[in-house]
Amino acid sequence: GESVGLHLPTLSVQEGDNSIINCAYSNSASDYFIWYKQESGKGPQFIIDIRSNMDKRQGQRVTVLLNKTVKHLSLQIAATQPGDSAVYFCAEASGYSTLTFGKGTMLLVSP
Amino acid sequence: DSGVTQTPKHLITATGQRVTLRCSPRSGDLSVYWYQQSLDQGLQFLIQYYNGEERAKGNILERFSAQQFPDLHSELNLSSLELGDSALYFCASSVSTGMNTEAFFGQGTRLTVV
Repeated sequence: GESVGLHLPTLSVQEGDNSIINCAYSNSASDYFIWYKQESGKGPQFIIDIRSNMDKRQGQRVTVLLNKTVKHLSLQIAATQPGDSAVYFCAEASGYSTLTFGKGTMLLVSP
Repeated sequence: DSGVTQTPKHLITATGQRVTLRCSPRSGDLSVYWYQQSLDQGLQFLIQYYNGEERAKGNILERFSAQQFPDLHSELNLSSLELGDSALYFCASSVSTGMNTEAFFGQGTRLTVV
């Protein structure tokens, strides 16, 4: 079946840098995308979502970009902080389908 | 705190045994989803219930089953356990039937099969 995947398994950045986490999806019918953050020992936590009728959405320090042409999703974190260290998952859904998750990218933020 | 409660947090059991994991969704959420997360895999969708009825099935083994009760809490039953069933099991809930809305995850149950 179609799946969602991530380009980079681990991303190391310095505190204060901007981080970009990328995600490729293969289901062209997907119309809803979410980024989740999972800290060690915790469940995934919703960060931001975007629907396919948009190409950009901003939250607090985070921005999600959607490029439907190349089926690419990215999460930008501004002024990355040590507390941002976690595994980040992208997930996609189409219509009433259930979410399909990628394998995750580990973000490591050094002080 | 997401508002989704899972019990127990940790569970250690032997191969061949049967366990039950419990999930209480957020107040007002009608949909409950179960996911399995193992070390070498991402979050694998197992099954979804909406208002007491099975709504969608994912990669759920025949040894596994679930149900959602009238009070909307859900249980995931895992039987004839194998070493490979060791994983984190997450429950999530959302208001509507589709995952096209924000879903809230519990803290998970860590199952270790020895």
